[in-house]
Amino acid sequence: KNEVEQSPQNLTAQEGEFITINCSYSVGISALHWLQQHPGGGIVSLFMLSSGKKKHGRLIATINIQEKHSSLHITASHPRDSAVYICAVSNNDMRFGAGTRLTVKP
Amino acid sequence: GAGVSQSPRYKVAKRGQDVALRCDPISGHVSLFWYQQALGQGPEFLTYFQNEAQLDKSGLPSDRFFAERPEGSVSTLKIQRTQQEDSAVYLCASSWGTYQETQYFGPGTRLLVL
Repeated sequence: KNEVEQSPQNLTAQEGEFITINCSYSVGISALHWLQQHPGGGIVSLFMLSSGKKKHGRLIATINIQEKHSSLHITASHPRDSAVYICAVSNNDMRFGAGTRLTVKP
Repeated sequence: GAGVSQSPRYKVAKRGQDVALRCDPISGHVSLFWYQQALGQGPEFLTYFQNEAQLDKSGLPSDRFFAERPEGSVSTLKIQRTQQEDSAVYLCASSWGTYQETQYFGPGTRLLVL
């Protein structure tokens, strides 16, 4: 079993839909990261959080330390949100989930 | 300001050939990380530098993999006697601090070993 599990693996949505991507982890962490990877490989860090909730524009990330679970929400999704979203956890190293491939159709 | 850059962006190598992948981190970033990302998978940790010191190389898959950062800025990942299973995207990231800081990723080098 991977130490960082994401669901779903693939997600297709219509433009405007509310999207949730989930991440569960089984190791102790000091921080959890949500990353966005566009075709061609470039990775952008969206959030780094260790408790509670963070919001940036249409993106919201939450974490529940007790349940070892985090969610990434996208409100009013748009085709340009189409990308792979990766959850990663850090402590003395960095461990990544396999990613969730999101496709938002117009 | 410039972000993290990597070169080459694409590399095709014949099995058995040696390759060298370069990473230019953001100026002033103390930490530098190398990751390997197989097709359809998340990145996997290879090695970590703090300035010129290689503090963790536990993720390097074999002794054919070698990384250096001699002056604490530019880093090179070298793969000797490449094998087909080395085909992957090699990502470099840098940050001001350790794993508790935001990492800034380069575009990656896509390596294909034939």
